Amino acid sequence: QVQLVQSGPEVKRPGASVKVACKASGYTFTSSGFSWVRQAPGQGLEWMGWIGVYNGETDYAQKFQGRLTVTADTSTSTAYMQLGSLTSDDTAVYYCARDTLGSRGDYWGQGTLVTVSS
Amino acid sequence: FILTQPHSVSESPGKTVTISCTRSSGSIASNFVQWYQQRPGSSPTTVIYEDDQRPSGVPDRFSGSIDSSSNSASLTISGLKTEDEADYYCQSYDSSNPWVFGGGTKLTVL
Repeated sequence: QVQLVQSGPEVKRPGASVKVACKASGYTFTSSGFSWVRQAPGQGLEWMGWIGVYNGETDYAQKFQGRLTVTADTSTSTAYMQLGSLTSDDTAVYYCARDTLGSRGDYWGQGTLVTVSS
Repeated sequence: FILTQPHSVSESPGKTVTISCTRSSGSIASNFVQWYQQRPGSSPTTVIYEDDQRPSGVPDRFSGSIDSSSNSASLTISGLKTEDEADYYCQSYDSSNPWVFGGGTKLTVL
């Protein structure tokens, strides 16, 4: 069965960077892509960016351009989301979702809480 | 474009509830709509994809549709159960916006 298991919670200082991992299993990793979605406390869902593992293409929401990088390591079947220049507004739960076409998710990770605090 | 959902809906167990999702510009029929369920403290799960398709394991009590006349999509849940209590998000896209979410609807089953 498809499983996406994310790395554990993080606490970061303002101005720092965070890298969240999403390890996939149960399907052919190189045939799909991943989107990253975040949810601030008590708020709705916000799409951040996407990577097509099969073609290496990436796409980022304009809001995160310049400080967001999404990558994938085919040797470990793991997708990564790195967000820099963190502020308290980046405190949120970050989710990965399998997304082959860059338009919708089918399976989701369990989420990773990132707390930004001085 | 923006997807607008009601903030909250409530209904009794056994009844049927419909949650709407109205697209502000562009045709609702131009791009598929997905619906995600998020129970408290959990990650989202897909209950409807491509307007009206149910993933395996999702009960047939869940159904999706689109209505071009109102430029909206709908999620209908029949035979409501207490376990259906959750936040529901619609999501669609276009050539300029890969993922657009509605604001979410809190379903209370009381």
